[in-house]
Amino acid sequence: GAVVSQHPSRVICKSGTSVKIECRSLDFQATTMFWYRQFPKQSLMLMATSNEGSKATYEQGVEKDKFLINHASLTLSTLTVTSAHPEDSSFYICSASYSQGPAFFGQGTRLTVV
Amino acid sequence: GENVGLHLPTLSVQEGDNSIINCAYSNSASDYFIWYKQESGKGPQFIIDIRSNMDKRQGQRVTVLLNKTVKHLSLQIAATQPGDSAVYFCAENRPNFNKFYFGSGTKLNVKP
Repeated sequence: GAVVSQHPSRVICKSGTSVKIECRSLDFQATTMFWYRQFPKQSLMLMATSNEGSKATYEQGVEKDKFLINHASLTLSTLTVTSAHPEDSSFYICSASYSQGPAFFGQGTRLTVV
Repeated sequence: GENVGLHLPTLSVQEGDNSIINCAYSNSASDYFIWYKQESGKGPQFIIDIRSNMDKRQGQRVTVLLNKTVKHLSLQIAATQPGDSAVYFCAENRPNFNKFYFGSGTKLNVKP
């Protein structure tokens, strides 16, 4: 399968700071990238969908000013958690797909806000 | 997002037995489905997919069955191994939306 790399795998930040998470498709050009959030022992919750060069589409209830998504190229999307608070602590996972094919996932980022 | 697969059962099987994991989806317009395997602390791993013009698809040791009439999807794993222990999710994709929504998952526990 295709390879999606997510960085960093773990990050601890202070409350009020911002954190950027990168998602790269390494061996294919991703027409669409997705960002998910996952709480312990729960399913993946879709946060937003982004297409290269256009604004992300956010799911209902997800604050777009809180979770900034940039999809600058066909191989890179970033999620920035702005003014992070402890309730933003979670496992964030990105995925990428090409031309309505399957979505392949990164390794996930464990964010802890202290 | 919508819920796909509202139950989160835990399935325990003996090594070597076959496993069947089920998923119910809610949107009849969904036309593309994927099964993922997620190990603890990792991102989901693609297992197998199926489009709505098919009712069965086979991979290596895995088979996915799709019943559109009752909006049901299943994943069959043959000769289950300890390495198959993980949480399994089904995901659905709707045409013109190109979004993948996940079910609640099933934890598979393989006993040696």
